[in-house]
Amino acid sequence: DTGVSQNPRHKITKRGQNVTFRCDPISEHNRLYWYRQTLGQGPEFLTYFQNEAQLEKSRLLSDRFSAERPKGSFSTLEIQRTEQGDSAMYLCASSLARGYEQFFGPGTRLTVL
Amino acid sequence: AQSVTQLDSQVPVFEEAPVELRCNYSSSVSVYLFWYVQYPNQGLQLLLKYLSGSTLVKGINGFEAEFNKSQTSFHLRKPSVHISDTAEYFCAVSDYSYNTDKLIFGTGTRLQVFP
Repeated sequence: DTGVSQNPRHKITKRGQNVTFRCDPISEHNRLYWYRQTLGQGPEFLTYFQNEAQLEKSRLLSDRFSAERPKGSFSTLEIQRTEQGDSAMYLCASSLARGYEQFFGPGTRLTVL
Repeated sequence: AQSVTQLDSQVPVFEEAPVELRCNYSSSVSVYLFWYVQYPNQGLQLLLKYLSGSTLVKGINGFEAEFNKSQTSFHLRKPSVHISDTAEYFCAVSDYSYNTDKLIFGTGTRLQVFP
């Protein structure tokens, strides 16, 4: 399967712990996006990369959040000192270029206790 | 800032009946418009998109949508629904006039198809 993959699919952590999620985009897709989806809401944009460059960050992305895409392939999203409000589904998407379809992964569901 | 409104949080409908899911976006000169579907425990899947050209867009699974610039709407329609269409539907907009292609999503409409 050559779709977008995300790991882990589920993560349960205690408040104050750090967590890291990984996203593997479709190969040859230059753009990679992170979104967050809470219950009953649509996905909200967090950040996106073109190759290894992080081009835009949402104001939702506090200082506790950091994302990287070191070699322009996979990406990681780290949340430091997790809070209960961070509980959500974290979605990754990739696309060939601007204006092209964004293909979404299955998401990582984070639960902060 | 760009925003998307999906007025109907839930739409119940009987199988084989027609359905319309409404979507309105805040005014902008240049937008791309999308409809995504999310089945339980699955990722988002693109149904259709409007980038330019004909205002009537046809997508997968028999869905279509019409872009109406004057009403800033992009309503999704299907003439005859199936049980398998039960899912959450999201309208999204990308405001490319700001040199970004991040998607702004609505809050979603849950389509429930009954036999």
